[in-house]
Amino acid sequence: QKEVEQNSGPLSVPEGAIASLNCTYSDRGSQSFFWYRQYSGKSPELIMSIYSNGDKEDGRFTAQLNKASQYVSLLIRDSQPSDSATYLCAVNRGSNYKLTFGKGTLLTVNP
Amino acid sequence: GAVVSQHPSWVICKSGTSVKIECRSLDFQATTMFWYRQFPKQSLMLMATSNEGSKATYEQGVEKDKFLINHASLTLSTLTVTSAHPEDSSFYICSARLAEPLDTQYFGPGTRLTVL
Repeated sequence: QKEVEQNSGPLSVPEGAIASLNCTYSDRGSQSFFWYRQYSGKSPELIMSIYSNGDKEDGRFTAQLNKASQYVSLLIRDSQPSDSATYLCAVNRGSNYKLTFGKGTLLTVNP
Repeated sequence: GAVVSQHPSWVICKSGTSVKIECRSLDFQATTMFWYRQFPKQSLMLMATSNEGSKATYEQGVEKDKFLINHASLTLSTLTVTSAHPEDSSFYICSARLAEPLDTQYFGPGTRLTVL
């Protein structure tokens, strides 16, 4: 089983819709969870971080964490064409501070 | 806040030469920085963990003598690709760890290396 799994997509949604991105992880000792956005040819940009169970909202973005089920999700409300990118789920497993990344989900928002 | 810069943003060099890439945390101190490499349409690959004042820790399969890392201060880490070859052509990205208030990594804009 891969350590961090994401659907590779592509996920295609119409402009204004809600995009839902999912991620599962295998290590129950994982401490913190991140969503990064990466445009083609660019470096990852931090979108959301979440450290405890439940929902965390920031503007149009909501991160959800369920440690019992070992999944973390990202909801993007009112999706815009500028949201079209690859979304990387990353998990920090503990004291060595390293992040384990999923392979990313390619999101396309159609005008 | 939490801005990380890299220099240069792109570099073209001849095979056999060495290239140095700088990674700076501009508005915070980073005791730990990370170096990644990304080939086109592939995932990020962690190359090494750079700790201020100590030797870097390299991931399995990464040649430490080829990819020299120096973390001389709390805001600067450098990656030197020695005797570069065309297969080293890639997108090199650093990240810096901001420990407080919540442990988070912020990425630099990346350096695109092309070896002719």
